[in-house]
Amino acid sequence: EVQLVESGGGLVQPGGSLRLSCAASGFTFSSFAMTWVRQAPGRGLEWISYISSSSSPIYYADSMKGRFTISRDNAKNSLYLQMHSLRAEDTAVYYCALVGSTPFDYWGQGTLVTVSS
Amino acid sequence: QSVLTQPPSVSGAPGQRVTISCTGSSSNIGAGYDVHWYQLLPGAAPKLLIYGNINRPSGVPDRFSGSKSGTSASLAISGLQAEDEADYYCQSYDISLSWVFGGGTKLTVL
Repeated sequence: EVQLVESGGGLVQPGGSLRLSCAASGFTFSSFAMTWVRQAPGRGLEWISYISSSSSPIYYADSMKGRFTISRDNAKNSLYLQMHSLRAEDTAVYYCALVGSTPFDYWGQGTLVTVSS
Repeated sequence: QSVLTQPPSVSGAPGQRVTISCTGSSSNIGAGYDVHWYQLLPGAAPKLLIYGNINRPSGVPDRFSGSKSGTSASLAISGLQAEDEADYYCQSYDISLSWVFGGGTKLTVL
C-alpha cells in the first residue's frame, strides 16, 4: 500500500524558512516522480513543484520559483521542500503526491505551515 | 482566481445524480490536455477519483464517471450517498502555468 507521510510543518515567522519532508513507503520510490501541492485556508489546491525520479528535470510554479526548492533522497525514500522568505500567504496545508497516471495519483495527509508573527 | 472554473457548491438528495462542471480554455482543456478529478474528505488524504478524463482507478465505485468535451469536463456522481459529501477538484495542464486546478466544488448530500 502506498503511504506518504509529510512532516516538518509548524509556525514560522514571516521571512523565515522551513523544510518539509515526505516519507514514502509501499512502492519503489526511486522509480517515480513526485510533486508538492498546497491548500491555503478556505482556498483551492495549488501545484508547487515537480521532481523526476532522478531529480532532473525539476519544475516549479512561477509563483514559487526562487523561494522554494524541491529535492529527494532515493536512498532514504524521502522527498523534501525547502521554503525560504516565507510570507503570510504561504500559510497552507502542504501535500506531497506520487506521479503516476496523473501528477497526483496518491497523496499524503498533509502538514500545516503557518506563517505568522 | 483559479484557471479552471468549477461551481462553488452542488447538492443532491441520497440516490440522486449530480454533476460538477469544470470549464477551462484553449490553453488547457481545449488544447487537448487530460482532466483528472480528486476528492477531498475532511481529515483524509486527497484521493484520485478520475484520471485521463474518463478512467476510474481500481477501488473507485462506478457511480463516479467523467467526461470531457471541448474546453470543459464534468464529473457525474450517481446514486448519491452520504459518504460522497466532500470537496471535488478538477485538474489539468496549462501551456503557460503547468499543472492547474479548479477552485473546488463542495458537494452536500441533503
